[in-house]
Amino acid sequence: KQEVTQIPAALSVPEGENLVLNCSFTDSAIYNLQWFRQDPGKGLTSLLLIQSSQREQTSGRLNASLDKSSGRSTLYIAASQPGDSATYLCAVGSDTGGFKTIFGAGTRLFVKA
Amino acid sequence: AAGVIQSPRHLIKEKRETATLKCYPIPRHDTVYWYQQGPGQDPQFLISFYEKMQSDKGSIPDRFSAQQFSDYHSELNMSSLELGDSALYFCASSPGTGDNSPLHFGNGTRLTVT
Repeated sequence: KQEVTQIPAALSVPEGENLVLNCSFTDSAIYNLQWFRQDPGKGLTSLLLIQSSQREQTSGRLNASLDKSSGRSTLYIAASQPGDSATYLCAVGSDTGGFKTIFGAGTRLFVKA
Repeated sequence: AAGVIQSPRHLIKEKRETATLKCYPIPRHDTVYWYQQGPGQDPQFLISFYEKMQSDKGSIPDRFSAQQFSDYHSELNMSSLELGDSALYFCASSPGTGDNSPLHFGNGTRLTVT
């Protein structure tokens, strides 16, 4: 059974700092990994998708990496801003016995002005 | 660009009542997923459909059922509602099930059971 873990559970940083969010998964037989952002009480916004054959994806100040063999992904946020404050969720796409995407518990990020 | 549409946005029901949540995927998306997110929890996978057939099943109670219709919209039917069913219910769609098929989420339906 796929399990997804995110570390840290919460993070508070001053504005301008670069930071790394970590995601690990137990079953390396995945077909993709997505990072989402969720604001309180709101829906999930897709940030980046990494296909299983890829090692990283970049979008603006965000860079996500994937190491399937070790079951790890990182989301790097450069020059953090107060508007980046949200919960960041890692989600792993698995096609074992069907198609589903399993979420980690998220990292709650607070960027102080 | 068109997004995933969920209705209603908010729903208040009493215990033992039934509820139906609707999801309209992005056009040409043939895969639909349902998730339940309790307060402070991560989204829990309930069920998925691909080309109108059930694809996978997660932690969906027997009191819940879902289907995907010929126009690809999906409905989640919830019966004998319990207080613990109060949560945010998300629907997501994707263009197929390949590795380059990102999930696009709707804004969710907030269900409150009193």
